[in-house]
Amino acid sequence: RKEVEQDPGPFNVPEGATVAFNCTYSNSASQSFFWYRQDCRKEPKLLMSVYSSGNEDGRFTAQLNRASQYISLLIRDSKLSDSATYLCVVKVDYKLSFGAGTTVTVRA
Amino acid sequence: GAGVSQSPSNKVTEKGKDVELRCDPISGHTALYWYRQRLGQGLEFLIYFQGNSAPDKSGLPSDRFSAERTGESVSTLTIQRTQQEDSAVYLCASSLAGTGPSGANVLTFGAGSRLTVL
Repeated sequence: RKEVEQDPGPFNVPEGATVAFNCTYSNSASQSFFWYRQDCRKEPKLLMSVYSSGNEDGRFTAQLNRASQYISLLIRDSKLSDSATYLCVVKVDYKLSFGAGTTVTVRA
Repeated sequence: GAGVSQSPSNKVTEKGKDVELRCDPISGHTALYWYRQRLGQGLEFLIYFQGNSAPDKSGLPSDRFSAERTGESVSTLTIQRTQQEDSAVYLCASSLAGTGPSGANVLTFGAGSRLTVL
């Protein structure tokens, strides 16, 4: 079983729509959680950390459910520039495990 | 430096040749990671350095792969006798610390070294 599993998508949404997707993780000892964004043929970049109480960063909302071991990301009022692959990242001690990514395409 | 630098950005080599990939992490970052990303796939962990030591080499796919870090700074990933399945983007990332508060664990990635083995 993979340590981090994500729905690969793609999610094709019109501009202005809301899109949400999850990832699940297998290690209950996981300590820290992140969403990274990766544009085509570019390196991953941190989008946001995910906190237990849930957190927002502008149009992006992240939630963590430790009991069910899943993390979600919601994008409101999506923009063309939100088109990317979103990577779910889970940390145990020093080791960060990456999901394979969820691809989001926002169309005009 | 301001960011993580990797070189070369692109490398095309013939099967059986050795290659060296270099990573210059952000100054002061004690933790350094190497990941591999094959086309259309996720990131595969290779090795983790804390300072100059590598407490976790578990992701290195075979004994053809080795890595070192010196001066708690530059790291080199060496692939000997390259094979076609080694073709991938090799990503280096650094963070302030490997463990501890999540704020110190945020990884900053370099732009990667794209390796093509013919």
